[in-house]
Amino acid sequence: KAGVTQTPRYLIKTRGQQVTLSCSPISGHRSVSWYQQTPGQGLQFLFEYFSETQRNKGNFPGRFSGRQFSNSRSEMNVSTLELGDSALYLCASSTGGSETQYFGPGTRLLVL
Amino acid sequence: QKEVEQNSGPLSVPEGAIASLNCTYSDRVSQSFFWYRQYSGKSPELIMSIYSNGDKEDGRFTAQLNKASQYVSLLIRDSQPSDSATYLCAVIGGNTGFQKLVFGTGTRLLVSP
Repeated sequence: KAGVTQTPRYLIKTRGQQVTLSCSPISGHRSVSWYQQTPGQGLQFLFEYFSETQRNKGNFPGRFSGRQFSNSRSEMNVSTLELGDSALYLCASSTGGSETQYFGPGTRLLVL
Repeated sequence: QKEVEQNSGPLSVPEGAIASLNCTYSDRVSQSFFWYRQYSGKSPELIMSIYSNGDKEDGRFTAQLNKASQYVSLLIRDSQPSDSATYLCAVIGGNTGFQKLVFGTGTRLLVSP
């Protein structure tokens, strides 16, 4: 099976812009979770989608949003980018519940 | 108190030795426990999952879970230089809800030839 894929892999934006990241889960996986990783805060949970519904959300401002499509692919959007949004954004997929999550390669976002 | 705590290291061991990585968690009703390995600049890669008390072995890796002590560990036998990476302990379930993996800050392991 193909693994989790994320696009784009690298992105450079300026403050105030918005960005959309994409994640395609492993075939058959219906749950997609998003995480932000920074050197200072480590890996932090953003949100999780299952069957197009957001089931859980982390402590991030409303500028961070996401959605999931009927084919389980997911997108996350960050509006009004700030310098502190520079991070590695990771998505992970699983079958759902508390099973193992498998991570994609990540999107590295740099905000200038 | 952090939800998942790990010693940041670095933990330095010589090649061929046993590396012991430890993790404690605060949510007593946590259900599932994972160890991920992350090389610099790469995404986390699953090494082991463990769900019930006791030991679970997979090749050179052994995960140990003690729910009463809220403690998870990972032993790496016959450590190799290629094992040098950051090891992330992650916990799911309980009061944090579905699919929210809560990570520790990771322990950096250095295996010297």
